[in-house]
Amino acid sequence: AQSVSQHNHHVILSEAASLELGCNYSYGGTVNLFWYVQYPGQHLQLLLKYFSGDPLVKGIKGFEAEFIKSKFSFNLRKPSVQWSDTAEYFCAVNPYNNNDMRFGAGTRLTVKP
Amino acid sequence: GAGVSQSPRYKVAKRGQDVALRCDPISGHVSLFWYQQALGQGPEFLTYFQNEAQLDKSGLPSDRFFAERPEGSVSTLKIQRTQQEDSAVYLCASSLWELDQETQYFGPGTRLLVL
Repeated sequence: AQSVSQHNHHVILSEAASLELGCNYSYGGTVNLFWYVQYPGQHLQLLLKYFSGDPLVKGIKGFEAEFIKSKFSFNLRKPSVQWSDTAEYFCAVNPYNNNDMRFGAGTRLTVKP
Repeated sequence: GAGVSQSPRYKVAKRGQDVALRCDPISGHVSLFWYQQALGQGPEFLTYFQNEAQLDKSGLPSDRFFAERPEGSVSTLKIQRTQQEDSAVYLCASSLWELDQETQYFGPGTRLLVL
């Protein structure tokens, strides 16, 4: 069955540190890839997505993610985190031409001021 | 502008009770999704509508779960004879078109607690 793995459950960083959150998926075909974020007390919202083209995708608030097809990975990065990036981050995948979106378990990011 | 809204925000039910959860998607959005999110987990897909047609209900965990979207806008997720394992946050999302790469816009969720 298709699944999405997020390697870290909770990451704690100081402001200005660099961030990389891992995401791997198990699906052999063409996929669409997403990172969603949930800030405290807010709804899930889209950070960025990849469905074709340049595998390095830039999203809002300085986030980016790189799709590496050979590694079935879509890791999220940010060069310098801010306290306001404290949130829960979810990686999600759906197969091409299919709306059955699968989410990872999420990674909670805490940024210390 | 108005986003996806869900009601009620919180629901406490006794085991065996039926519950109905409502989702108002963004106006004009073709696609509507329901997810179940257990504590400490990511959302799990339940079902998907394109307008009024329920195209995928593969994620509904049992025949006690039923969803409808009769006029292609508001949707209701009904859970019959609730059980404790149904306790979770139920999320609704909508997207403008039916394409698989469309951004989904999520509502605040309904937190269901079954006692």
